[in-house]
Amino acid sequence: SQQGEEDPQALSIQEGENATMNCSYKTSINNLQWYRQNSGRGLVHLILIRSNEREKHSGRLRVTLDTSKKSSSLLITASRAADTASYFCATATVGNTPLVFGKGTRLSVIA
Amino acid sequence: NAGVMQNPRHLVRRRGQEARLRCSPMKGHSHVYWYRQLPEEGLKFMVYLQKENIIDESGMPKERFSAEFPKEGPSILRIQQVVRGDSAAYFCASSPPGTGANNSPLHFGNGTRLTVT
Repeated sequence: SQQGEEDPQALSIQEGENATMNCSYKTSINNLQWYRQNSGRGLVHLILIRSNEREKHSGRLRVTLDTSKKSSSLLITASRAADTASYFCATATVGNTPLVFGKGTRLSVIA
Repeated sequence: NAGVMQNPRHLVRRRGQEARLRCSPMKGHSHVYWYRQLPEEGLKFMVYLQKENIIDESGMPKERFSAEFPKEGPSILRIQQVVRGDSAAYFCASSPPGTGANNSPLHFGNGTRLTVT
């Protein structure tokens, strides 16, 4: 079943602008993870945020989590052409259940 | 290369043939996960294995699909009597011992793209 749903499905911005992607989910989670996938490649882990955390940073990435709204956002600041990729959120529910991935946001950064 | 290795990268099979997809996890990792991705879609969980054990196969079709992770050697995802609907990218991921299925990052391979003609 699809747990996380990313929004928007596609996003096109100019280099230097910020990109914001959102993820909504339905059931209680243990943690939420963001991954990037370049065309033809595997997924690369970006950030893991636990249910008791509200915000995490990693370089130009900022992730927020609002468990009351069951939503998360990924912000990429000062985007670069190399940020062009698909971005997926994945939710981890309580217990040893596998990660459930959304359909992703396709980000295009135009130089 | 200490990353997750999958082979082959591309596999073409005719309907009715068998497909074998291999995955070597990262060095030191003992948990392996298989996911399937259709074009423009997210990843769908198939199976979670530890050495010589299937932990969760809730996403695996009941027929024609099987997976193993032997004591020695890579994990194998096997699809018998392939049909056109099996065409997809199949990704393997791994995680270290002591981690569960969802409480630490997964390390992915670059996938095997299966085309059934």
